[in-house]
Amino acid sequence: QQQVRQSPQSLTVWEGETAILNCSYENSAFDYFPWYQQFPGEGPALLISILSVSDKKEDGRFTIFFNKREKKLSLHIADSQPGDSATYFCAASRRGSALGRLHFGAGTQLIVIP
Amino acid sequence: EAAVTQSPRNKVAVTGGKVTLSCNQTNNHNNMYWYRQDTGHGLRLIHYSYGAGSTEKGDIPDGYKASRPSQENFSLILELATPSQTSVYFCASGDMGSSYEQYFGPGTRLTVL
Repeated sequence: QQQVRQSPQSLTVWEGETAILNCSYENSAFDYFPWYQQFPGEGPALLISILSVSDKKEDGRFTIFFNKREKKLSLHIADSQPGDSATYFCAASRRGSALGRLHFGAGTQLIVIP
Repeated sequence: EAAVTQSPRNKVAVTGGKVTLSCNQTNNHNNMYWYRQDTGHGLRLIHYSYGAGSTEKGDIPDGYKASRPSQENFSLILELATPSQTSVYFCASGDMGSSYEQYFGPGTRLTVL
């Protein structure tokens, strides 16, 4: 069973536009939600994360909006740049777990056209 | 800076052969993880470890073994490789005591013919 779902699978935007990547999850016990960014040929790297006690987290051009009631979150990339072209993974975890395992979505491939 | 390295970066194996993928981390993290990445599936957890000498099964352990001989090293072993194991494999390390971030290696592309 897919615990974390992402949409769309692929997204193309023009440079300067805001890209919106969506994520939903099944397990209401999840309370930590990181987004990882992956460039071709590299491993994923943490981009930004949010805890379930917050409904918004900003870091420069990247903002997470979180809706606990609906078990949904989204990553907004403002003023998209060609260098933002990458695959973005939403993940979820339960912080109380000693393992700290992450459940990953299938990813959204973002293409930013100059 | 956090560092996770993997070897080899690319591997071609024959069906039925034995394959060992190696991972080394210099973060002094207790936890290490092996994932495989396939289009449409994201990252799926194969095996993980809490520390030297421990290995645990993840979500898709069938056909894989793991070994954690030291804090720094974590290996993934395919005793009898099959074409369905063709994938990109990522190792990661993390320490739940300080943060929940996992640090990933650059990946190993494995092709089983």
